[in-house]
Amino acid sequence: RKEVEQDPGPFNVPEGATVAFNCTYSNSASQSFFWYRQDCRKEPKLLMSVYSSGNEDGRFTAQLNRASQYISLLIRDSKLSDSATYLCVVNRGGGYQKVTFGTGTKLQVIP
Amino acid sequence: GAVVSQHPSRVICKSGTSVKIECRSLDFQATTMFWYRQFPKQSLMLMATSNEGSKATYEQGVEKDKFLINHASLTLSTLTVTSAHPEDSSFYICSARAFQLSSGNTIYFGEGSWLTVV
Repeated sequence: RKEVEQDPGPFNVPEGATVAFNCTYSNSASQSFFWYRQDCRKEPKLLMSVYSSGNEDGRFTAQLNRASQYISLLIRDSKLSDSATYLCVVNRGGGYQKVTFGTGTKLQVIP
Repeated sequence: GAVVSQHPSRVICKSGTSVKIECRSLDFQATTMFWYRQFPKQSLMLMATSNEGSKATYEQGVEKDKFLINHASLTLSTLTVTSAHPEDSSFYICSARAFQLSSGNTIYFGEGSWLTVV
């Protein structure tokens, strides 16, 4: 089983739609979680950290479910500019602080 | 947020030559930096963890003699692809961890370097 798994998509959604991505992780000792956005041929950029209590930033909501070992990202009122690949990132923490990326979920917002 | 600068952004080299890529943390000190490789339409793959003042830790399957990593200061790590071959052509990205009071430990990426070996 991969350490971090994501549905690669693509998710094709119309403008204005709500879309949700899930990401599962296998190491129960993982300590911190992030969502990154990567545009084609560019470096990943931090979208938001994921907190245990869940957090919201505008149209984006991230949640963590430690019991089931998954994190989610919800995008409301999708914009064309949201089209990108969304990477789930899990930090194992500890002395080594190993960071593992999911393979990414591709989102295409259609006019 | 914190800034990580990577140079060069694009490089073309001849097969058999070596190429050096630099990764700098501009406004923070990074004792640990990470080097990734990304082939087209694939995910980021961690190559190695660069530790300031000590040897890098390489992921399984990554040749340490081919991908030389040097982390000589708290703000600079370099990746040298030695004896490059066309199959080494890829997008190489570095990242560094910065601690911020607002968000804790967060990873910031350099802009990436496109390497083409001809």
